[in-house]
Amino acid sequence: NAGVTQTPKFRILKIGQSMTLQCAQDMNHNYMYWYRQDPGMGLKLIYYSVGAGITDKGEVPNGYNVSRSTTEYFPLRLELAAPSQTSVYFCASSYDGQIHGYEQFFGPGTRLTVL
Amino acid sequence: AQKVTQAQTEISVVEKEDVTLDCVYETRDTTYYLFWYKQPPSGELVFLIRRNSFDEQNEISGRYSWNFQKSTSSFNFTITASQVVDSAVYFCALRAVIQGAQKLVFGQGTRLTINP
Repeated sequence: NAGVTQTPKFRILKIGQSMTLQCAQDMNHNYMYWYRQDPGMGLKLIYYSVGAGITDKGEVPNGYNVSRSTTEYFPLRLELAAPSQTSVYFCASSYDGQIHGYEQFFGPGTRLTVL
Repeated sequence: AQKVTQAQTEISVVEKEDVTLDCVYETRDTTYYLFWYKQPPSGELVFLIRRNSFDEQNEISGRYSWNFQKSTSSFNFTITASQVVDSAVYFCALRAVIQGAQKLVFGQGTRLTINP
């Protein structure tokens, strides 16, 4: 199993540009999440999905969009990038079931800089 | 409210010292799950341990041990004989069902530096 994979690893954007951060998991997890981590800070939830076709906002959704057409993929779209979106973005996935323990498995992260 | 507090922002010790990272949680659930994650300088998030609320046994894994105390709502993490490779940011987290969906509520993290 590759686990949770994210691409790209690094990206520099100019203000106003758009991009899509890719996330995939091969563990058949129903839940997927997007977090951002600003320098020296903790994790903030951007969006999450409880299954294919179902997404919802987290704490800091403004400036982002997501889609979940399949169980495996959960891309994060940045429209009109702003310097405030400079951060490290983590994708995560988990099962919703006591037997599986509920822990979230994280991807390696995408480091995004907006100049 | 569902909340996790890691009051220690930064800890610095000399190698081979023992160090304890504190985690205090708040939850209204009678059944809940707690986690610790490690974030080394390379940046990835590594799952360390899961503990559920109906199992108060302490856990030991090599130099790592976890002390779960429901009476004080704490889930503290101790590293014995610390090593430089233990330097990382450590996050404590609580599983919560918020607006019908399961999420992890993270503490702000404790940055641990082990000096040679």
